[in-house]
Amino acid sequence: DAMVIQNPRYQVTQFGKPVTLSCSQTLNHNVMYWYQQKSSQAPKLLFHYYDKDFNNEADTPDNFQSRRPNTSFCFLDIRSPGLGDAAMYLCATSRFGGDWGTGELFFGEGSRLTVL
Amino acid sequence: GNSVTQMEGPVTLSEEAFLTINCTYTATGYPSLFWYVQYPGEGLQLLLKATKADDKGSNKGFEATYRKETTSFHLEKGSVQVSDSAVYFCALSDRSNYKLTFGKGTLLTVNP
Repeated sequence: DAMVIQNPRYQVTQFGKPVTLSCSQTLNHNVMYWYQQKSSQAPKLLFHYYDKDFNNEADTPDNFQSRRPNTSFCFLDIRSPGLGDAAMYLCATSRFGGDWGTGELFFGEGSRLTVL
Repeated sequence: GNSVTQMEGPVTLSEEAFLTINCTYTATGYPSLFWYVQYPGEGLQLLLKATKADDKGSNKGFEATYRKETTSFHLEKGSVQVSDSAVYFCALSDRSNYKLTFGKGTLLTVNP
């Protein structure tokens, strides 16, 4: 009964070869996030969508892009992966609005990216 | 801005020992507080949460109480198991934005 599903779980790419990671959700949440996590460090927010509005974190490299074609799906595109982009990429969702809820984020299992 | 400070560890315990992982926060307003757990190679799972002062979150034998007077949300478990070995993240969320602010994480290893 996974609610936030990420594909693929493991992705191996070559230096400079574009990669797309996908995320889908069955929660109908209006906010979707992409995090980068290295070596059990705290996850680092790359960007998020509030409904269709895209919000980039100030220090997210231009190499990272995102698309959200509909409420359920969100994609992370890495245009030219470098060795430093090897990490776990986590997708998360939350519900935010008039009935704010608790602010809890629901995470997927993550996509581990290896760059050769 | 918001911030979360947690005991960084690593923490190594024997099975059945008592666990405390300290977490303090700085936030405007009235945040919700969370503990997330991450098992090796997996995503983050919500362990427990508390949304207002004096609330106690509990799950799987873990507990944490939202203490507004000390701005703390310490995680405790009376008797840890080998299966509790994981990284634990304290986090907060407030109504001014919908992002989580994470602590740096605490690696817990429980030995048999």
